[in-house]
Amino acid sequence: ETGVTQTPRHLVMGMTNKKSLKCEQHLGHNAMYWYKQSAKKPLELMFVYSLEERVENNSVPSRFSPECPNSSHLFLHLHTLQPEDSALYLCASSQDSAGSYEQYFGPGTRLTVT
Amino acid sequence: GNSVTQMEGPVTLSEEAFLTINCTYTATGYPSLFWYVQYPGEGLQLLLKATKADDKGSNKGFEATYRKETTSFHLEKGSVQVSDSAVYFCALSRNSGGYQKVTFGIGTKLQVIP
Repeated sequence: ETGVTQTPRHLVMGMTNKKSLKCEQHLGHNAMYWYKQSAKKPLELMFVYSLEERVENNSVPSRFSPECPNSSHLFLHLHTLQPEDSALYLCASSQDSAGSYEQYFGPGTRLTVT
Repeated sequence: GNSVTQMEGPVTLSEEAFLTINCTYTATGYPSLFWYVQYPGEGLQLLLKATKADDKGSNKGFEATYRKETTSFHLEKGSVQVSDSAVYFCALSRNSGGYQKVTFGIGTKLQVIP
């Protein structure tokens, strides 16, 4: 595997379910991100982990819970979601440095909440 | 705060037409500027970038120049192909305590017809 991978690619869940999204990066980066992509809206940054510590949490509801066990893996745990949480969830990674480097994105998980 | 403004589209062009997608930004200091592209069913990929004023980023026939005086980073291509059909995102990035804080535009959908 190369780059950033995400599983599953598609997920349908009921409002009472609990599920997790997984992201893995094979680039040796040490910052990882969760974004939410909804139609007609800019990408919304949800969480940032730098060196495995959460450094940003953009007022995301507690029904979304991130976990970063090591610099290569990032999870997003989901519980009691709402239909408006249906979206494409993108994971990204970047290299922690003083310069401004691009982020590398995974293909996303298309989530549908019924 | 930082912001990025771009046309939402869709922009529909015939093959071999000239493409311009406008992007303007508001930011403090000296951000890096990027264009990302998202093909159907995929995550975002970096298309090109510029890290300082007057820099020109280029890739696959696309170009954009970092214009600090007009706070713009317009994307251009001289002759589009059907395979260029995708959503294009303008973005700016600042290094924030070791990770990349990225602000994205809303994305411009490009449709190229044969």
